[in-house]
Amino acid sequence: QVQLVQSGAEVKEPGASVKVSCKASGYTFTSNYIHWMRQAPGQGLEWMGRIIPGGADTNYAQKFQGRVTLTSDTSTSTVYMEVSSLRSDDTAVFYCTRGGIVPWVSWGQGTLVTVSS
Amino acid sequence: DIQMTQSPSSLSASVGDRVTITCRASQGISNYLAWFQQKPGKAPKSLIYGASRLHSGVPSKFSGSGSGTDFTLTISSLQPEDFATYYCQQYNSFPFTFGPGTIVDIK
Repeated sequence: QVQLVQSGAEVKEPGASVKVSCKASGYTFTSNYIHWMRQAPGQGLEWMGRIIPGGADTNYAQKFQGRVTLTSDTSTSTVYMEVSSLRSDDTAVFYCTRGGIVPWVSWGQGTLVTVSS
Repeated sequence: DIQMTQSPSSLSASVGDRVTITCRASQGISNYLAWFQQKPGKAPKSLIYGASRLHSGVPSKFSGSGSGTDFTLTISSLQPEDFATYYCQQYNSFPFTFGPGTIVDIK
């Protein structure tokens, strides 16, 4: 079945970068966009951006433009989400999910990124 | 950006109750509206897409309706496993945006 498995929790200092991975299986990796969402502690969900694996098409929410980079590796069926210049208010759980004609069918388990000195 | 609002922000209900949550978009989004259920510490679970289409495996007690700017999620008979936070999301135009959530708890 379709699975998205994310990398483990991270603790980073302010100003550092973090790279979270999302490994896909159970479907044709290049056929659907992968989207990333953010959820700060006790808060709601935010859409960050999306990437078509193996292609050049990415879209970012303006809020994250320039500080978030989405990339993909078709050899390992993995999408990466990198956030640079981390701040304390970037502390959140990040989720990847698959788009498509039937969107949001599968979600990763979430990755907690804690930004603290 | 399209703003999504939900009402109520929270509600208390009993097992067996019929519950309706409303979601409104600040501009028309056709039927590009999804509903999610989230429990503490868990990833969101997708319930509905296309405003009214149930994802595979989602029980028929959940239903969605609406088009344009006004949408509803109805749970026909609330069960203990349904106590959670519910979010709507528009995916008509970038950035995709979520409503602030509706907490459904036990009366």
